Amino acid sequence: QSALTQPASVSGSPGQSITISCTGTSSDIGGYDFVSWYQQHPGKAPKLIIYDVSNRPAGVSNRFSGSKSVNAASLTISGLQAEDEADYYCSSYTGTSAPVVFGGGTKLTVL
Amino acid sequence: EVQLVQSGAEVKKPGESLTISCKGSQYTFTSYWISWVRQMPGKGLEWMGIIYPGDSDTRYSPSFQGQVTISADKSISTAYLQWRSLKASDTAMYYCARHPRLQGPGDYWGQGTRVTLSS
Repeated sequence: QSALTQPASVSGSPGQSITISCTGTSSDIGGYDFVSWYQQHPGKAPKLIIYDVSNRPAGVSNRFSGSKSVNAASLTISGLQAEDEADYYCSSYTGTSAPVVFGGGTKLTVL
Repeated sequence: EVQLVQSGAEVKKPGESLTISCKGSQYTFTSYWISWVRQMPGKGLEWMGIIYPGDSDTRYSPSFQGQVTISADKSISTAYLQWRSLKASDTAMYYCARHPRLQGPGDYWGQGTRVTLSS
């Protein structure tokens, strides 16, 4: 199946809020509430920051929030900080024999 | 603390075989799925496949089906990713991740194994 669609890059100033979109289809995002978001700093492994559309793992800042509408999901980061500069990836369950699909990734730049 | 520890970096030649590993600790290895994810240099994450060590149920992305083999040895809490014949395009970082359920997120990740192909 095709990868989920994310913007290649977004940017924002410290203290601002930004939103990263992730567009899929009724076969993945639209069909299930199993969307996850990962943060990856350069040279590091990905880190889970949102699961099941809008849940935060223990220890993840409440500045990170997730939502979903029809076939698209969104990650919002409020009160941007320099440490938020990283790549962000969405993923969704698909219900097929290949049950996971990733988005292409979005590079967040904190100006 | 839950840990996934992957084997070290590899430098191989095209046509060679390779197996890399991912050892889980501080949790019940047979109760969680383990996935493998490829990241080519400067590129995004690509989901390769997933295994449930409890019963060896394995699923593959169509892009990787037939190109790699995923397996697990529950007696030593270790999952594997295997190539029979490497290609130059297999140069990448490979991550393993733990999932509490098939539909669930990768909640813990290994540190990654860098595979470099050089003729």
